[in-house]
Amino acid sequence: GDQVEQSPSALSLHEGTDSALRCNFTTTMRSVQWFRQNSRGSLISLFYLASGTKENGRLKSAFDSKERRYSTLHIRDAQLEDSGTYFCAALNMGYKLTFGTGTSLLVDP
Amino acid sequence: NSKVIQTPRYLVKGQGQKAKMRCIPEKGHPVVFWYQQNKNNEFKFLINFQNQEVLQQIDMTEKRFSAECPSNSPCSLEIQSSEAGDSALYLCASSLSSTSAETLYFGSGTRLTVL
Repeated sequence: GDQVEQSPSALSLHEGTDSALRCNFTTTMRSVQWFRQNSRGSLISLFYLASGTKENGRLKSAFDSKERRYSTLHIRDAQLEDSGTYFCAALNMGYKLTFGTGTSLLVDP
Repeated sequence: NSKVIQTPRYLVKGQGQKAKMRCIPEKGHPVVFWYQQNKNNEFKFLINFQNQEVLQQIDMTEKRFSAECPSNSPCSLEIQSSEAGDSALYLCASSLSSTSAETLYFGSGTRLTVL
């Protein structure tokens, strides 16, 4: 079936630094959504993209509009509250949502 | 962010017991999804509804779960006979559409532990 490969699986950042997460798709996807899951289990929607890029504060996401085979999430000036587990989830042509296996992000002072 | 409400927050059951969880989707969202997230962060699609009708479900759901989304009542997902392997976070999500790419909004989940 469709696969979503998310990397890295774990990431440790110092406050104020930048980094990027990536999801590769084994097949063409219609759209991608990025979530952050907090310690209570709540999945908070960060971005939904059908193409192009979106930016919200220190977060920016991009979805490859040509091949539609990967997406990235950039974190700028990481803060302590950015800690959590990040998931991408992609919707294929059959409208089935497939999740990546997550990136566990820890931001320390 | 999301206004999807899931209850209970935590659920503890013995093997063989029924386990029922509920979900109130965002107002105006006709499509509801249920996912199971295991301890390895793997998400498994279970079932989705459009209004009161089941759109898709996996084999396991059909055989072992009872699910419904009645009008004017919360949606529910019930495991008929809980097994240890059912221990997981059960997430409900709602959306405006099942046939076009739309944002999914998730609830906080029901964490089921089967002893």
